[in-house]
Amino acid sequence: DTAVSQTPKYLVTQMGNDKSIKCEQNLGHDTMYWYKQDSKKFLKIMFSYNNKELIINETVPNRFSPKSPDKAHLNLHINSLELGDSAVYFCASSAGNTIYFGEGSWLTVV
Amino acid sequence: AQSVTQPDIHITVSEGASLELRCNYSYGATPYLFWYVQSPGQGLQLLLKYFSGDTLVQGIKGFEAEFKRSQSSFNLRKPSVHWSDAAEYFCAVGAIGGYQKVTFGTGTKLQVIP
Repeated sequence: DTAVSQTPKYLVTQMGNDKSIKCEQNLGHDTMYWYKQDSKKFLKIMFSYNNKELIINETVPNRFSPKSPDKAHLNLHINSLELGDSAVYFCASSAGNTIYFGEGSWLTVV
Repeated sequence: AQSVTQPDIHITVSEGASLELRCNYSYGATPYLFWYVQSPGQGLQLLLKYFSGDTLVQGIKGFEAEFKRSQSSFNLRKPSVHWSDAAEYFCAVGAIGGYQKVTFGTGTKLQVIP
């Protein structure tokens, strides 16, 4: 069983489109995250949710909107996609002092 | 602000040789330190972590890391590298929970040659 699962794994879309990435964790964790990894492999936190409440919101364009329907799910919706949004997006969850990552969603904007 | 520096972008070692990946951090309090590994096309897997206690930490896959407060370092080591260790390695610092966050270094890509 995959602990943190995200879909789709690969996504190719045109500029201006709106897309969503879904994430689910079956670990019972209260905290979930979205991280962005750019082409240089730099990994940066975007959002953190604790029990469906937004805790951390880094300087991310408001085209990015996370939604947490319950504490096991944290979806990422992106409006008006731009070329610079091409990256790998990682969902993660944590309990105690360990973060568990999903396998990533490779987003390519053309 | 917390930060992590991994000075080596790319390291090549021969299979069976020893390995040391460098990590320096900046953090305002007692740091929580992590090493993660990312294989091509995969997510990040936790190798080991340090919170307190013994400064030499053992992890999975035969890796260990040593916390040196005086040098603000948390270097990752392995005595004998296997071809399957070829991957990207990320050092991270921070705390988890509430408004705290973990900051990652830029990664070191490890290449293993026969």
